[in-house]
Amino acid sequence: NAGVTQTPKFQVLKTGQSMTLQCAQDMNHEYMSWYRQDPGMGLRLIHYSVGAGITDQGEVPNGYNVSRSTTEDFPLRLLSAAPSQTSVYFCASSYEVGREQYFGPGTRLTVT
Amino acid sequence: DAKTTQPNSMESNEEEPVHLPCNHSTISGTDYIHWYRQLPSQGPEYVIHGLTSNVNNRMASLAIAEDRKSSTLILHRATLRDAAVYYCILRDAGSSNTGKLIFGQGTTLQVKP
Repeated sequence: NAGVTQTPKFQVLKTGQSMTLQCAQDMNHEYMSWYRQDPGMGLRLIHYSVGAGITDQGEVPNGYNVSRSTTEDFPLRLLSAAPSQTSVYFCASSYEVGREQYFGPGTRLTVT
Repeated sequence: DAKTTQPNSMESNEEEPVHLPCNHSTISGTDYIHWYRQLPSQGPEYVIHGLTSNVNNRMASLAIAEDRKSSTLILHRATLRDAAVYYCILRDAGSSNTGKLIFGQGTTLQVKP
């Protein structure tokens, strides 16, 4: 199993550009989520999904969209990048909501 | 969500046991105690979790106070690879669970050779 994979590892965007952060898992997990981690801080939940076709907002959803068309993939879209979105983004998955979560290696995003 | 309190940092010597404390005085009866750790430049990694009884796994042990207002993560023999930020997190097992993990500041563990 590859576990949770994220691409790209690093990305630099200009203000106003859009992009999609990819996340995939091969463990047949129902629950997937996106977090962001700002320097020196803990992780904050952006969006989550309890299964294919179902998504919901976390605590910091503004400026981000998600979709879950398959069990394996949970992409995060930045609609119009802003410097405040400079952060490290982590995707996570678990067998079901409430179970232990497995995190990807992260995407380091810089918006200039 | 109930809050946890952890020391900002701790030091340990390699190959010695490490006891990482966590206070959670407002814990509810349905809250599970989870521990994750984050090694430098990596994503968080699940360590262990428990509800009332002490728990052991290949990575660590979790000792839970009888009143559940505190818990201790025990690394039996610290290695340099255990240097990380350790997060103590309460997870509500109730039906409204979003799966959200609330990461506080955690405890930064430094392991000296």
